[in-house]
Amino acid sequence: NAGVTQTPKFRVLKTGQSMTLLCAQDMNHEYMYWYRQDPGMGLRLIHYSVGEGTTAKGEVPDGYNVSRLKKQNFLLGLESAAPSQTSVYFCASSQDSWAEQYFGPGTRLTVT
Amino acid sequence: DQQVKQNSPSLSVQEGRISILNCDYTNSMFDYFLWYKKYPAEGPTFLISISSIKDKNEDGRFTVFLNKSAKHLSLHIVPSQPGDSAVYFCAASSTSGGSYIPTFGRGTSLIVHP
Repeated sequence: NAGVTQTPKFRVLKTGQSMTLLCAQDMNHEYMYWYRQDPGMGLRLIHYSVGEGTTAKGEVPDGYNVSRLKKQNFLLGLESAAPSQTSVYFCASSQDSWAEQYFGPGTRLTVT
Repeated sequence: DQQVKQNSPSLSVQEGRISILNCDYTNSMFDYFLWYKKYPAEGPTFLISISSIKDKNEDGRFTVFLNKSAKHLSLHIVPSQPGDSAVYFCAASSTSGGSYIPTFGRGTSLIVHP
């Protein structure tokens, strides 16, 4: 049981480049989430999904897109990276909206 | 506006003493509360939770207290150990139906000195 995995672990992008972060979970959870963590700001929700084929905006969705084509995967895309998107990104999953979330190890992204 | 607040960004405690981490919320719809622990360079991990039908929940050295009238909860760690040094996040959610996604506080960094 791998739990929640994230790919890649580290990435450096130049301003304007695009990339996709992949999250995978093997717990058959319905809910999946993408957060970013910045110093002093805690965990801020970017987008989330309540099931396969669904996505919804969180607190800070601008500049990001997501897709959940398969139940076990949740992709986060940056179409045109900006330095303000330098952050640590965490993916999480849960069985119910209120239940405990299982987090991945994080992706450290630097945009120069 | 923050619906879940952790007003102390950091807390320093001596090993063996009690650590008390506080969390306040504003939304009366919240009825389920969770604490997560996060070590550097790792993802947060679930620590303990409490439902609004209770006012206390214990798990070993960790106890969470809920005061619904004050919209306040606290996490007590007794006795504190150096390995407890981490960032602790409080989260609140609602079980009353609908897609009520948990809201996180900004975290409190706990340092336990040997």
